[in-house]
Amino acid sequence: DTGVSQNPRHKITKRGQNVTFRCDPISEHNRLYWYRQTLGQGPEFLTYFQNEAQLEKSRLLSDRFSAERPKGSFSTLEIQRTEQGDSAMYLCASSLELAALYNEQFFGPGTRLTVL
Amino acid sequence: AQSVAQPEDQVNVAEGNPLTVKCTYSVSGNPYLFWYVQYPNRGLQFLLKYITGDNLVKGSYGFEAEFNKSQTSFHLKKPSALVSDSALYFCAVRDPRGITGGGNKLTFGTGTQLKVEL
Repeated sequence: DTGVSQNPRHKITKRGQNVTFRCDPISEHNRLYWYRQTLGQGPEFLTYFQNEAQLEKSRLLSDRFSAERPKGSFSTLEIQRTEQGDSAMYLCASSLELAALYNEQFFGPGTRLTVL
Repeated sequence: AQSVAQPEDQVNVAEGNPLTVKCTYSVSGNPYLFWYVQYPNRGLQFLLKYITGDNLVKGSYGFEAEFNKSQTSFHLKKPSALVSDSALYFCAVRDPRGITGGGNKLTFGTGTQLKVEL
């Protein structure tokens, strides 16, 4: 399967613990995005990378959140000192973006985080 | 800031009947519009997009969408619904600053649950 993959698929943690999620994009895609989806809502943008550079961060991304894409391939999203309000589905997407070519984003299956 | 509205939380339709899932948008500049479908416990799957050109866009699984600039709408349609089309559908608009490389995020609506019954 050459789609976007995310690990783990589910994570249950206690409030105050740190968690890290991984996303492996489609191999030739140069852009990688993180979104958060809560029940009954559409996905909300968190941040995105062009290759290894993090180019935009949403105001939703508090100081407890950090994302990296060290070699321009996979990405990690870490949440420190988790809170119950962090419980959500975290979605990763990737796309191939070239000048004047507006491509769709391909989404992974998501990581469902539950903070107890 | 751009926004998307999906006025119906749920749409029910009988199998074989045409379906429409509504979407209206608000954006500065040219809109870049997308439809995605989400099945339970799965990520979003791309259905179709409007960037420029013909107002009627054809996509996957027999779906199509009609772009109407004067009504700022991008309704999803299918001539004959199938039970397997039952899922959650999201309309999304892309940040137009993507043209200059300033941004590429998608802003999604709240979703419309489509239920196709026999």
